[in-house]
Amino acid sequence: KAGVTQTPRYLIKTRGQQVTLSCSPISGHRSVSWYQQTPGQGLQFLFEYFSETQRNKGNFPGRFSGRQFSNSRSEMNVSTLELGDSALYLCASSLVLTGDEQFFGPGTRLTVL
Amino acid sequence: AQSVTQLDSQVPVFEEAPVELRCNYSSSVSVYLFWYVQYPNQGLQLLLKYLSGSTLVKGINGFEAEFNKSQTSFHLRKPSVHISDTAEYFCAVRTLLYSGGGADGLTFGKGTHLIIQP
Repeated sequence: KAGVTQTPRYLIKTRGQQVTLSCSPISGHRSVSWYQQTPGQGLQFLFEYFSETQRNKGNFPGRFSGRQFSNSRSEMNVSTLELGDSALYLCASSLVLTGDEQFFGPGTRLTVL
Repeated sequence: AQSVTQLDSQVPVFEEAPVELRCNYSSSVSVYLFWYVQYPNQGLQLLLKYLSGSTLVKGINGFEAEFNKSQTSFHLRKPSVHISDTAEYFCAVRTLLYSGGGADGLTFGKGTHLIIQP
């Protein structure tokens, strides 16, 4: 069974631009979560989607948004990029909303210049 | 809100020696506890988890952890480490939001870099 896939793996943008990252969960998994990893702040929870609805949200500004499609694939969008948005963005999927185990993808490395 | 503290940012250990990576959490409600490992340029891989039941949890690659509710700790141990264990280790907690189901996102500690010395 294929794991969680994220595209693209690497991305370079400039300040003020917007970006969309994609995540395909493991087949059959209905919950998708997004995390930001930076050297300074570590791993931080962004949001979780289940059945196309955002169920949980971390403490991030409204520039960070996401959505989930009927096939459980998810996208996250960051608008008006700032230098501090440079990070590794990780997607994780689980079978159900309260799924105890989240399976992580390899991440998308975003660099904002 | 919950929080996770990993007391050591870096732990150097000689190969074949035992190791303990410390993790303490704070939460006023029931939690799930996890240890994840991250190798360079990769995502996170689950080592083990505690949901309920036996407080001693065994995971992959010979790792185990013990849940101590009174000390709010979930320390990770391995009796004999190998060079291949060199990686970043993250302790994480997930809080049950309500009795009917649902849980908050994972809250991670800052990570412990395990360095295996030959």
